[in-house]
Amino acid sequence: AQSVSQHNHHVILSEAASLELGCNYSYGGTVNLFWYVQYPGQHLQLLLKYFSGDPLVKGIKGFEAEFIKSKFSFNLRKPSVQWSDTAEYFCAVNAIPSNDYKLSFGAGTTVTVRA
Amino acid sequence: DTEVTQTPKHLVMGMTNKKSLKCEQHMGHRAMYWYKQKAKKPPELMFVYSYEKLSINESVPSRFSPECPNSSLLNLHLHALQPEDSALYLCASSQVGTYNEQFFGPGTRLTVL
Repeated sequence: AQSVSQHNHHVILSEAASLELGCNYSYGGTVNLFWYVQYPGQHLQLLLKYFSGDPLVKGIKGFEAEFIKSKFSFNLRKPSVQWSDTAEYFCAVNAIPSNDYKLSFGAGTTVTVRA
Repeated sequence: DTEVTQTPKHLVMGMTNKKSLKCEQHMGHRAMYWYKQKAKKPPELMFVYSYEKLSINESVPSRFSPECPNSSLLNLHLHALQPEDSALYLCASSQVGTYNEQFFGPGTRLTVL
């Protein structure tokens, strides 16, 4: 079974700073990769996803992520954060082919952006 | 329609009550999921239905009973819950196959008194 680790538990930064959140997974085969965001009191929303092709993926709200297969990583980046980016961020992976469609989540990173 | 809807949004129940959570999607997805999420924690998978059949039960206590009446609906029946079962219950759906991006509903915030 695959596992996912997110390196940062809590990140605090100022508006306009750059953000990078680390995500590594352990699975030797092919994977689908996702970043989800959960704003305070709200539900999970998909920021971006990687299935195949260009390893640099652009998502919503100015986020992007890079899949580096050799490092089993899928790090999330945003060049300039806003106060509204304060949220919980989850990396998720599912192995393919998969008979159980399980999505493995990382523990999450709390991002606090100070105005 | 790329939306998963869940009702109710909030539910407060006593330990002896019986209640149900409902989830609906009209995206033609044939896999549906129930997750439990505690504050600031990732969702924990509870059940997976594939083609309306239960395919995964992650050792969930029997006081939680899922039901998939048809391809668009998913229910979670609750009975004799404990206070530690208080959480956000999320429903999700996806296609069956390689590219199974899961679409999440807004969740039901459950409080067990």
